[in-house]
Amino acid sequence: DQQVKQNSPSLSVQEGRISILNCDYTNSMFDYFLWYKKYPAEGPTFLISISSIKDKNEDGRFTVFLNKSAKHLSLHIVPSQPGDSAVYFCAASRGAGNTPLVFGKGTRLSVIA
Amino acid sequence: DVKVTQSSRYLVKRTGEKVFLECVQDMDHENMFWYRQDPGLGLRLIYFSYDVKMKEKGDIPEGYSVSREKKERFSLILESASTNQTSMYLCASSSDGDSHRGYEQYFGPGTRLTVT
Repeated sequence: DQQVKQNSPSLSVQEGRISILNCDYTNSMFDYFLWYKKYPAEGPTFLISISSIKDKNEDGRFTVFLNKSAKHLSLHIVPSQPGDSAVYFCAASRGAGNTPLVFGKGTRLSVIA
Repeated sequence: DVKVTQSSRYLVKRTGEKVFLECVQDMDHENMFWYRQDPGLGLRLIYFSYDVKMKEKGDIPEGYSVSREKKERFSLILESASTNQTSMYLCASSSDGDSHRGYEQYFGPGTRLTVT
């Protein structure tokens, strides 16, 4: 049973436009959410996170929105750049650092120049 | 800067061989994890460890074992490699703590293992 779902395997966006990546979760015990970015042949790198007590967190071009009632979060990238082309993973946590993150299957973002 | 290193970037092994994948972190993190990444399946947790000599099964432990003799080192062992274990293997570490930074996992560069 998939607790974290990224329903779009891929997304193509024009350079300069907004990219919106979506993530849904089923476990209401999750209290912290993270986005990771992964280039081919590299390990994932942390991008941005949000606590369940917030509904928005912003870091430069990246904003994450959390809708707890809908169990939905989204990552907005504005403006999108060709270097943003990568696979993005949504992850959720339900405890302290020794509780494994639960990852979605990822969304491949292609930003077209 | 947190650094997680993995012993090999690319590895080719034959079916039936015993394979060791090593992971070392330099941030004194308590927790370490092994994942595999396959197209369309995302990151799947194989094993994790929250302390030296402690280990917990993840979602897909079959065919794998782990060893954590020192805090900084976490090894993944394929007892008898099979072709369906061809994959990208990723190691990660995280700290305990009551701050949300403790939830963040830091990943190594990955090992692309091919079993022929």
